Amino acid sequence: EVQLLESGGGLVQPGGSLRLSCAASGFTFNTHAMTWVRRAPGKGLEWVSVIDDDGSSLYSADSVKGRFTFSRDNSKNTLYMQMNSLRAEDTAIYYCAKLRGRELSGWHIDYWGQGTLVTVSS
Amino acid sequence: QSVLTQPPSVSGAPGQRVTISCTGTSSNIGAGYDVHWYRQFPETAPKLLIYDNTNRPSGVPDRFSGAKSGTSASLAITGLQAEDEADYYCQSYDSSLNGWVFGGGTKLTVL
Repeated sequence: EVQLLESGGGLVQPGGSLRLSCAASGFTFNTHAMTWVRRAPGKGLEWVSVIDDDGSSLYSADSVKGRFTFSRDNSKNTLYMQMNSLRAEDTAIYYCAKLRGRELSGWHIDYWGQGTLVTVSS
Repeated sequence: QSVLTQPPSVSGAPGQRVTISCTGTSSNIGAGYDVHWYRQFPETAPKLLIYDNTNRPSGVPDRFSGAKSGTSASLAITGLQAEDEADYYCQSYDSSLNGWVFGGGTKLTVL
């Protein structure tokens, strides 16, 4: 059974930092691209990043470029997102998710984590 | 403003059929990229409902179906049930953004 378990969310002041982790199990982690998606209060889903199976970054939203970095440790089956210079508008539930598809442009999410809440507020 | 446009809300009575549209452009749906659909209940993670335009993952009832034509796609739900109340999102790839995009989401209300 595929499981994705996020951790690291919480309350942080504007300008602060957080590191989210996503522990994966139930599938061959090092052969799948992974992604972070967020949903801010009262808003829809927003794609944050896509990281390829070897750790190369394939996409990051303009809204987080230069502030968030993404990595993975395939030896630990874990995905990471380092969030710096946090802003109020980064307040959201952050989901870790597994991608699948025949080719990059057809990738979609077949499994989602339960999400972790990040609140940026003073 | 989402790259893929969905109606903010749709509604229907139990047993009825509803459709949710997802309108894109020549750089995403119109370019031939596949469309996928997700459902999200409050306080829970989204779940894949339709992938590659028309395919249902195992466990998704055949009341749910997807279609795609030109620059648009749609999700149809037949035999509407109270438990279908949720937010629905379409997703595709956009060559102008070099990335993956969601629609703005549609809230389905069962009357």
